Amino acid sequence: SQQGEEDPQALSIQEGENATMNCSYKTSINNLQWYRQNSGRGLVHLILIRSNEREKHSGRLRVTLDTSKKSSSLLITASRAADTASYFCATVWGSNYQLIWGAGTKLIIKP
Amino acid sequence: DAGVIQSPRHEVTEMGQEVTLRCKPISGHDYLFWYRQTMMRGLELLIYFNNNVPIDDSGMPEDRFSAKMPNASFSTLKIQPSEPRDSAVYFCAIAYPRDTQYFGPGTRLTVL
Repeated sequence: SQQGEEDPQALSIQEGENATMNCSYKTSINNLQWYRQNSGRGLVHLILIRSNEREKHSGRLRVTLDTSKKSSSLLITASRAADTASYFCATVWGSNYQLIWGAGTKLIIKP
Repeated sequence: DAGVIQSPRHEVTEMGQEVTLRCKPISGHDYLFWYRQTMMRGLELLIYFNNNVPIDDSGMPEDRFSAKMPNASFSTLKIQPSEPRDSAVYFCAIAYPRDTQYFGPGTRLTVL
């Protein structure tokens, strides 16, 4: 049931650098969400961007959405070791309450 | 994790045994979801409920899997009989408010 694809599959950067992850999807959407999953834990909701929005900020997170290209990006600025996790995008469309998930990007922040 | 309690956190069983996974969400949600996560297949939606009623169970792998939600604060996912390929982490999640989902910590199931 995966609609989204994250790019890259894995990303390793130095602490303090910015991390950018991309997500592409296939159908029209109501909104797109990003979640984080720390190793051995459940997914945690980070941010939601609606189809009529182009950019949204939350703390060190910046999300953009380009519905014409069916893509989104998640930028984490000034990365920290605690940001090490897998990041998933998920989309909602129509009146369906299901989230359609991507495969995730594994982010490693090196101290 | 705070809004959803799952038990057990880890389960190791032998092939052919019955396995019951439990989920206790906080009150006030409208939707409850069961997911399975593996390295090979990623995160898969198995079934979801709206106001305790199963809405879509098309993700349930086969008849060996069943799920119930007798009330708003309790749901079970049962596998009978279990097989090694059922080994995965099983997550319960709730949606409140609409669209945003809150996940439990998961149950890591190993079927030998």
